[in-house]
Amino acid sequence: AQSVTQLDSHVSVSEGTPVLLRCNYSSSYSPSLFWYVQHPNKGLQLLLKYTSAATLVKGINGFEAEFKKSETSFHLTKPSAHMSDAAEYFCVVSEKWGAQKLVFGQGTRLTINP
Amino acid sequence: EAQVTQNPRYLITVTGKKLTVTCSQNMNHEYMSWYRQDPGLGLRQIYYSMNVEVTDKGDVPEGYKVSRKEKRNFPLILESPSPNQTSLYFCASSFGAGGLGYEQYFGPGTRLTVT
Repeated sequence: AQSVTQLDSHVSVSEGTPVLLRCNYSSSYSPSLFWYVQHPNKGLQLLLKYTSAATLVKGINGFEAEFKKSETSFHLTKPSAHMSDAAEYFCVVSEKWGAQKLVFGQGTRLTINP
Repeated sequence: EAQVTQNPRYLITVTGKKLTVTCSQNMNHEYMSWYRQDPGLGLRQIYYSMNVEVTDKGDVPEGYKVSRKEKRNFPLILESPSPNQTSLYFCASSFGAGGLGYEQYFGPGTRLTVT
């Protein structure tokens, strides 16, 4: 069975400082992993995805994530936070073979302080 | 413009009154799915469809029905809504299953309140 744990429900950083949103996953098979962002009162938008190519994945708006199989982690980072990054972020796992489901983490709310 | 549309966006109803939330996509996607979002729980999959006339249960299907008679439409039906179905609902579509790395395109959401 697959599962996702986002280790922080809320992260607060100052504008211009690095962002780290942590995600651990559990999967019986080789997973596909995603990060989605949800701005207030909006739907979800894909930030980036890992599908067994390069382990360091670059996404939109300067975000990137590194797939670490040994640690079963897929943490999201950004070198310098911007006010527009304030949103809720979801880590998502889906198993490649057979399973058609997406499993979402609980979400991490990112607050940016001026 | 490529998009997923949902209607209605907001709905307040009473216990037991059947309702349907429509979902339509204009991207010729084969895979469609419904999720509910509740505070602290993230999104949980209700039902998904791999193609026309092919549907399957997600993690929380109780109290919901779906149908996929046309490729573009995937309505969510609550035959007898109850207060515990008060939630924010999202429809999504993609070319294929997430397991193969396909991006899901989400609708704007439907906020449902059942009193």
